Amino acid sequence: GEDVEQSLFLSVREGDSSVINCTYTDSSSTYLYWYKQEPGAGLQLLTYIFSNMDMKQDQRLTVLLNKKDKHLSLRIADTQTGDSAIYFCAESYGGATNKLIFGTGTLLAVQP
Amino acid sequence: DTAVSQTPKYLVTQMGNDKSIKCEQNLGHDTMYWYKQDSKKFLKIMFSYNNKELIINETVPNRFSPKSPDKAHLNLHINSLELGDSAVYFCASSQDKGAYTFGSGTRLTVV
Repeated sequence: GEDVEQSLFLSVREGDSSVINCTYTDSSSTYLYWYKQEPGAGLQLLTYIFSNMDMKQDQRLTVLLNKKDKHLSLRIADTQTGDSAIYFCAESYGGATNKLIFGTGTLLAVQP
Repeated sequence: DTAVSQTPKYLVTQMGNDKSIKCEQNLGHDTMYWYKQDSKKFLKIMFSYNNKELIINETVPNRFSPKSPDKAHLNLHINSLELGDSAVYFCASSQDKGAYTFGSGTRLTVV
């Protein structure tokens, strides 16, 4: 199947860490991505991880990949109100095309 | 300069009408896509073109017809619009197996 699952909602206080989780389906995915969507805007690439890596850190963002469990997570350190948005994980579906299957999206609400 | 631009940003139209959404990218990417985002924010791929050739054609009503006059443009024409077509339509582009760059979306409302 092509279902990529995420929890629907996460609420954190400003300054805390946020962890957004994702479960994907295609074990042959080469890359896994995290995108951010602010209200009324398109999706903005935040970061990505190659499938042979376990972890990638990029400033406040840390991506963890557990290939055995097909689990991906995004940790945002020192969460700010400007981080409030919907976060989507995406897997590159196997095959010749560069088809991305997106997760169901997690709405992150940051309380001041 | 906007990398992936879509027009119009908003489109309100009556049932039964025919409408088009245009997309242009200035990134030099070979592949372009149309995605539909419904009211629950689910994103689903509709079509993809690589260098003007259709490579992905998901289960979409044949009222939807994509057209790619060149690799920098991918337009979406919709015939006989229905209420259920109301959604946000996103265009995106990528190079090879790289990450997508998205446009800002076209919010289509069918009344």
